[in-house]
Amino acid sequence: EVQLVESGGDLVQPGGSLRLSCAASGFTFNYYWMTWVRQAPGKGLEWVANIKPDGSAKYYVDSVRGRFTISRDNAENSLYLQMNSLRAEDTAVYYCARDGVTAASDYWGQGTLVTVSS
Amino acid sequence: QSALTQPASVSGSPGQSITISCTGTSSDVGGYNRVSWYQQHPGKAPKLMIYEVTNRPSGVPDRFSGSKSGNTASLTISGLQAEDEADYYCSSQTTTNTQVFGGGTKLTV
Repeated sequence: EVQLVESGGDLVQPGGSLRLSCAASGFTFNYYWMTWVRQAPGKGLEWVANIKPDGSAKYYVDSVRGRFTISRDNAENSLYLQMNSLRAEDTAVYYCARDGVTAASDYWGQGTLVTVSS
Repeated sequence: QSALTQPASVSGSPGQSITISCTGTSSDVGGYNRVSWYQQHPGKAPKLMIYEVTNRPSGVPDRFSGSKSGNTASLTISGLQAEDEADYYCSSQTTTNTQVFGGGTKLTV
């Protein structure tokens, strides 16, 4: 059974940093692109970033480029999102998702809440 | 990377059919057949319902179907059921190797 479990969400002050983790199991992790998607309270989904299976390519939405870094550890079956210079508008539930061969996100975690506030 | 355009809400009665539109540009919806649709119930993670415009993952009822014409993709749900009441989001690959979501549509049954 495919499972994705996010962790690391917390309350952080503006300008602060946070690292999210996503533990994957039930599939061959190093075969798949992985994605982070976020959802601000009461708002819609926003694609944040994705990473190639071997980590050699990474893409970001404009609003986080230069502040967030997506990475992965295939030996540990884990996906990460390092978030720096956090802003109030980064407050959201962050989901990790597996991208199937069609680039659609076919499995999702339950999400982890990041709150940026003083 | 502007969000795709979806109607804020649609409604239908049990047994009826509804269609949700998703309008983008030639740089996303119109340029690729990598359009997906997701269903999200309150407090839950999104669930993939349609991928590559028309394909259903295993386990998704055939009441759900997708199509595309030009820069607009559509999700049709036939034979509406109470459990279909949820938020629906479209998504498309873009020319910059990113993905973009629509603003979401609240379906009321």
